[in-house]
Amino acid sequence: GAGVSQSPSNKVTEKGKDVELRCDPISGHTALYWYRQSLGQGLEFLIYFQGNSAPDKSGLPSDRFSAERTGGSVSTLTIQRTQQEDSAVYLCASSLVMNEKLFFGSGTQLSVL
Amino acid sequence: KQEVTQIPAALSVPEGENLVLNCSFTDSAIYNLQWFRQDPGKGLTSLLLIQSSQREQTSGRLNASLDKSSGRSTLYIAASQPGDSATYLCAVTPGDKLIFGTGTRLQVFP
Repeated sequence: GAGVSQSPSNKVTEKGKDVELRCDPISGHTALYWYRQSLGQGLEFLIYFQGNSAPDKSGLPSDRFSAERTGGSVSTLTIQRTQQEDSAVYLCASSLVMNEKLFFGSGTQLSVL
Repeated sequence: KQEVTQIPAALSVPEGENLVLNCSFTDSAIYNLQWFRQDPGKGLTSLLLIQSSQREQTSGRLNASLDKSSGRSTLYIAASQPGDSATYLCAVTPGDKLIFGTGTRLQVFP
């Protein structure tokens, strides 16, 4: 595709519900990253994929968070039993290979009421 | 643990000024450093990428330098314009992921 696409752009949910966030990276990009940006905070690394494998899951805040990538393309970040502190912008990025120029999507604004 | 700091946190300048944004990092073992721009409500746009073996990169009115041994990078913006108003973030790659600074919020007024 022309750029990294994320959906939905906005998600409002009730505390305790599960949510799925989707990322479509640029076609052919092997590396895919998820970051979280809370209000007034810096970008917090969550997880990255090389192909369909996730060598580094160290940034996932808790076991309520999980992510997968299929076909070396689309990735889904799932948050179970959402909490208010999960409210943030979730950003996805991809690069042709690891450690190269990173292209970001516009993010998903998650609000947990 | 790698930490990235950006100074100043916010900057307001009149149009036409040349300005310098600073980024410092605690661990010099990095593969590269990138500068990004973030507009309100938007994702990040990569501006410049400097490999660890390089000293600087230039793109138009932007020039980024890297001094890996001292853990510093600067982003120089020449002849600033109101359209340059945004948050600027630097990020280092120590291995397999980028570690970001908290950014400098720049406002250029006419």
